Amino acid sequence: TQLLEQSPQFLSIQEGENLTVYCNSSSVFSSLQWYRQEPGEGPVLLVTVVTGGEVKKLKRLTFQFGDARKDSSLHITAAQPGDTGLYLCADTNAGKSTFGDGTTLTVKP
Amino acid sequence: NAGVTQTPKFQVLKTGQSMTLQCAQDMNHEYMSWYRQDPGMGLRLIHYSVGAGITDQGEVPNGYNVSRSTTEDFPLRLLSAAPSQTSVYFCASRATGRWEQYFGPGTRLTVT
Repeated sequence: TQLLEQSPQFLSIQEGENLTVYCNSSSVFSSLQWYRQEPGEGPVLLVTVVTGGEVKKLKRLTFQFGDARKDSSLHITAAQPGDTGLYLCADTNAGKSTFGDGTTLTVKP
Repeated sequence: NAGVTQTPKFQVLKTGQSMTLQCAQDMNHEYMSWYRQDPGMGLRLIHYSVGAGITDQGEVPNGYNVSRSTTEDFPLRLLSAAPSQTSVYFCASRATGRWEQYFGPGTRLTVT
């Protein structure tokens, strides 16, 4: 059974700071998704990475996929209160997805 | 497009009662899944379907049944509710060949 470990579990920072959160898998990812979930809502996809070493940027968010395809990081530059939420990584293969427990990010104004 | 819809939004059950959580999508997606999310945790897969008439178990299937008679609908049945099933339940759908899952707004279930 694949295990996805996310760290840190909780992160509280001031507006304008930079941060990085991590996702590590016990086995090679088939495909890696990063989602953000706001309180009371379902997760919303941020990005999918498939190729080892891949780097994707989405405005102030930078996603890196490890060369061995077993780890990933999400870096946020100049965090804003609107970035507050639960960040989840997931592996999707065929019809199934496995999720990590997430990093809860709070950005204080 | 309404996307993925779930009903009800909130439900309180007594131990031993049964009920069905409804999920529908209007995007003609082949893949549909049910997840539960407990406080401070990620999503755990209960059951999933790769098309009408085809379902399979996920990580935590015990106490739940599903069926997929149409592409649009994927109901989740709780056979005999237990307090351990208190959780938020999310339904999701995904198109064949695409990675993105679209989630419904969730059903918040409390079993007393």
